[in-house]
Amino acid sequence: GESVGLHLPTLSVQEGDNSIINCAYSNSASDYFIWYKQESGKGPQFIIDIRSNMDKRQGQRVTVLLNKTVKHLSLQIAATQPGDSAVYFCAENISAGGGNKLTFGTGTQLKVEL
Amino acid sequence: KAGVTQTPRYLIKTRGQQVTLSCSPISGHRSVSWYQQTPGQGLQFLFEYFSETQRNKGNFPGRFSGRQFSNSRSEMNVSTLELGDSALYLCASSLQGGVRNTGELFFGEGSRLTVL
Repeated sequence: GESVGLHLPTLSVQEGDNSIINCAYSNSASDYFIWYKQESGKGPQFIIDIRSNMDKRQGQRVTVLLNKTVKHLSLQIAATQPGDSAVYFCAENISAGGGNKLTFGTGTQLKVEL
Repeated sequence: KAGVTQTPRYLIKTRGQQVTLSCSPISGHRSVSWYQQTPGQGLQFLFEYFSETQRNKGNFPGRFSGRQFSNSRSEMNVSTLELGDSALYLCASSLQGGVRNTGELFFGEGSRLTVL
């Protein structure tokens, strides 16, 4: 049958405002989570990661929050800039067994308005 | 430090043909993973290689295969191409330590395959 493109949820924010992108993950055994940013025509770029023994981690202008009880992950971007416009993906991994086998979310399109 | 390099960047094939894509990881990285990205299915894991051994495998048919060489460079092959194989194929490398030490993945720009 005909494939239908994913309808990405879109978040529009004003330049300078804070952005919050949410993600629900699926596997309660996942113990490592990563946020990626993908700009048009490029591969995903690592933003920040967090392990399941933490509930918050901060980077430069970004904070990731993890709520294992409801299997929810969020990415907060402070003082959003035009260069932050991209698609953002969360990804989960199960460390047991070794290696990288990431399961990606469907992504959120972030649009920064001037 | 050079990033992950994928070749070719773009290619067009016809149904039934086969294709080989190449990935050179960041120097010193021993883990190479492959992902397929399509508008319909998003980013999906294909397989991961570490020290020339396939360590993890996704849910793709046997037409999709890969290998890793002693210098950590990797190739993936898709045989008997179908229209639905049209996608962006992404390679990612990681400086992988022990079994429980998953690490940051660095992605290449991808190889965009169009099957006609």
